[in-house]
This record gives sequence, structure tokens and C-alpha cells, in this order.
Amino acid sequence: SQQGEEDPQALSIQEGENATMNCSYKTSINNLQWYRQNSGRGLVHLILIRSNEREKHSGRLRVTLDTSKKSSSLLITASRAADTASYFCATANTGTASKLTFGTGTRLQVTL
Amino acid sequence: DGGITQSPKYLFRKEGQNVTLSCEQNLNHDAMYWYRQDPGQGLRLIYYSQIVNDFQKGDIAEGYSVSREKKESFPLTVTSAQKNPTAFYLCASRGTSGDTGELFFGEGSRLTVL
Repeated sequence: SQQGEEDPQALSIQEGENATMNCSYKTSINNLQWYRQNSGRGLVHLILIRSNEREKHSGRLRVTLDTSKKSSSLLITASRAADTASYFCATANTGTASKLTFGTGTRLQVTL
Repeated sequence: DGGITQSPKYLFRKEGQNVTLSCEQNLNHDAMYWYRQDPGQGLRLIYYSQIVNDFQKGDIAEGYSVSREKKESFPLTVTSAQKNPTAFYLCASRGTSGDTGELFFGEGSRLTVL
């Protein structure tokens, strides 16, 4: 079952602009994670935010979490062509936290 | 280098054949996972194992089988009972049993049924 739904499904921006992706989920969580996937490759972990945290930063990444709305957002600032990839949110759900449930992903295209 | 190795990267199968996808890790991780990814979709969990000699079904286990005889290895067999096996298969691992942290992924195996 898919827990997360990302929005938008696809996003095209120019280099230097900011990219914002949103994730909604359905059940209570232990933590929420964001992953990146280049075409035809495996996923790479970007950032993890725990259920008691509201915001987290890592380099050009900023993640927010609103547990009351069951939603999270990933902001990539000053995007680069190399940021072109698919981005997935994944939730570690309370009670089944050893499993991660992935959303459907946002395809980001950054053009020069 | 530490990591997860999946093989083969590409695999073609005739209908009615079983195929086995290999996943090996040298990260000393207890937990290992198999996910399936279809075009334009997210990852769906097939099987996972939190410790040697033990594994659990995920959300779409029908038509698949696994074994966990060694800590480093978690092979996935796609059986002829799997009705639509063409997909991208991803193996992942995580530090300790019960850990809720990040997953480390292999580079995937793409299976095509002819």
C-alpha cells in the first residue's frame, strides 16, 4: 500500500530557482524520510525528520513536517541541473516502523 | 568499498521460468528489504528480513520467495506464479533490527519477461 502521495507529480524549473515538493501521508509516523533517485538507479537517502521535529536543514535542502496535517515538504534552494531526478518521501509508521512505505514520487527537471 | 551489490543489472526471462535476483551487502546490516518499482510509481515492499533465518511478507509477496541463510545475502526468486513480473527490483539494507533510520539501496535489477 502506498502511504505517501507527492505533489506535484512532475516539476520543471530553471537552474537557480527553488523547487518545492510536497508529501501527504495517512497514518501516524515515527519519522519521515526523503530520497532521491536518478533515472534507472537506486535510491539515495537525503534527509530524515522525526515526528517531534518541525523543520530540518541539510545544505540546500530544507524539510518541514506538519503532523497535524500529515504533510511534509522538501525545498531545494538554488537548484542545479544535477538536481534533476525523482524525489520520494517515505514514512516509518508507528507500529510498523521497521518498514518504510514510499510515496509515488515527484519528477524534477532542472534546465539550464 | 562498503555497499549493496545487486546482480544481474538486466535480466530477461521467458514466461513460466523462475529467476533469482542476487543481493549482497558488506555493511554488516541486520535488516534487508526487497522493493518493486513500476514505471511512474513508487516502491512497493515485497519481503523483508530483520535477522538471519527470519523474513516477513511485505505488501506484494505473492509470486515471490526469499531466503536469509547468511547475514550478507538476501536473494529474491521471482516465480512463474508472479503474473506481471516485468519491473525494476531494488534491494536495500538498514543497520539493526528494529532500526527506523535510513535505507541503503543497491543499483537495482531490471527484469523483463519476454
